[in-house]
Amino acid sequence: EDKVVQSPLSLVVHEGDTVTLNCSYEVTNFRSLLWYKQEKKAPTFLFMLTSSGIEKKSGRLSSILDKKELFSILNITATQTGDSAVYLCAGGNTGTASKLTFGTGTRLQVTL
Amino acid sequence: DTGVSQNPRHKITKRGQNVTFRCDPISEHNRLYWYRQTLGQGPEFLTYFQNEAQLEKSRLLSDRFSAERPKGSFSTLEIQRTEQGDSAMYLCASSLLPGNEQFFGPGTRLTVL
Repeated sequence: EDKVVQSPLSLVVHEGDTVTLNCSYEVTNFRSLLWYKQEKKAPTFLFMLTSSGIEKKSGRLSSILDKKELFSILNITATQTGDSAVYLCAGGNTGTASKLTFGTGTRLQVTL
Repeated sequence: DTGVSQNPRHKITKRGQNVTFRCDPISEHNRLYWYRQTLGQGPEFLTYFQNEAQLEKSRLLSDRFSAERPKGSFSTLEIQRTEQGDSAMYLCASSLLPGNEQFFGPGTRLTVL
């Protein structure tokens, strides 16, 4: 059965800190690794990674995938209180559905 | 608003009643997904449509659950004889092509009393 594990489960940091969120996956016929941000509503898409070693960046957020070690990280630099959310990692497969298998998420709280 | 929309946003029902939720995907997206999310967990895949065809169902989807996408546009998810264990957030997502990112709607939060 496909599995995605995220760590840490929760994290409290001060505004301005840099954080690294971890995601390991075991997904049969793996195609892609996706990161989502979830506040008190639906997950919002952040990144999709399909190739190893190529960093994707969007403002203060960046992510990279290691397909050999079955691992991805999401970095957030100069954190702001608006970054407080649950960050979800999901593995997508090559099957017809391309369904996503999600981890339980990392809850990030950024304090002043 | 051109995103995924879901109705209702909240539903409270008594055990044993039937409920139906609606999802309107992004207009050009032909792939539509239903997920269920409980507190403290990530979303879990329930079922998937490509156009009007339901191509995959999770074993989480018991016989009490049925989903349709009659004209390949909006979709409905019906739960018959609801149980307290059905209480969850039901999320709909859509994507344009296989393997593309999925965009989620705001979800329907179901509470079964």
